[in-house]
Amino acid sequence: SQQGEEDPQALSIQEGENATMNCSYKTSINNLQWYRQNSGRGLVHLILIRSNEREKHSGRLRVTLDTSKKSSSLLITASRAADTASYFCAPGEYGNKLVFGAGTILRVKS
Amino acid sequence: DVKVTQSSRYLVKRTGEKVFLECVQDMDHENMFWYRQDPGLGLRLIYFSYDVKMKEKGDIPEGYSVSREKKERFSLILESASTNQTSMYLCASSPERLAKNIQYFGAGTRLSVL
Repeated sequence: SQQGEEDPQALSIQEGENATMNCSYKTSINNLQWYRQNSGRGLVHLILIRSNEREKHSGRLRVTLDTSKKSSSLLITASRAADTASYFCAPGEYGNKLVFGAGTILRVKS
Repeated sequence: DVKVTQSSRYLVKRTGEKVFLECVQDMDHENMFWYRQDPGLGLRLIYFSYDVKMKEKGDIPEGYSVSREKKERFSLILESASTNQTSMYLCASSPERLAKNIQYFGAGTRLSVL
């Protein structure tokens, strides 16, 4: 299984600003998912985008997928202190396993 | 809501002890997973199970075993705990739907082996 690689490793922004995180992967996928992890807790699923979709929205989240470049981005608009967390992408192959990268640590300063 | 419950949030054990980490899910999911998470390394898959009594090795199975006697319960066993198994352990479950393999995670067990 392949691993998603998130970039940047860490991001620090002011409340109200937008946060953009990127993910790259290596082979064909069925879908790509983004998860959030608050400090010391389990991961929570945020959004899933299928391989035939280019963009998806959920509240303040916007995910794009470019299968030709094998990359995805997660945009959080109008960030809040509560968005402080680690964010992981998980490329999903044609099966049930997901492989998570090391994540992007987002810190939103109030 | 899906609930995945891990039996302990924090656990301290001694080197050489046999350690059991328990995970229970209440959504009748077919698939269950055990990961360990270490700083800078992300989540690494230890074992997963796609059915009762079925198991498959993940990326780092050495030093671990698993048991799935009932659909809702997936146990991770450290046969003889070592200090390099000090880590955060996360359990997850997902339904048997290949097109939407969302995983639901427990809160994690932080294990310290002294």
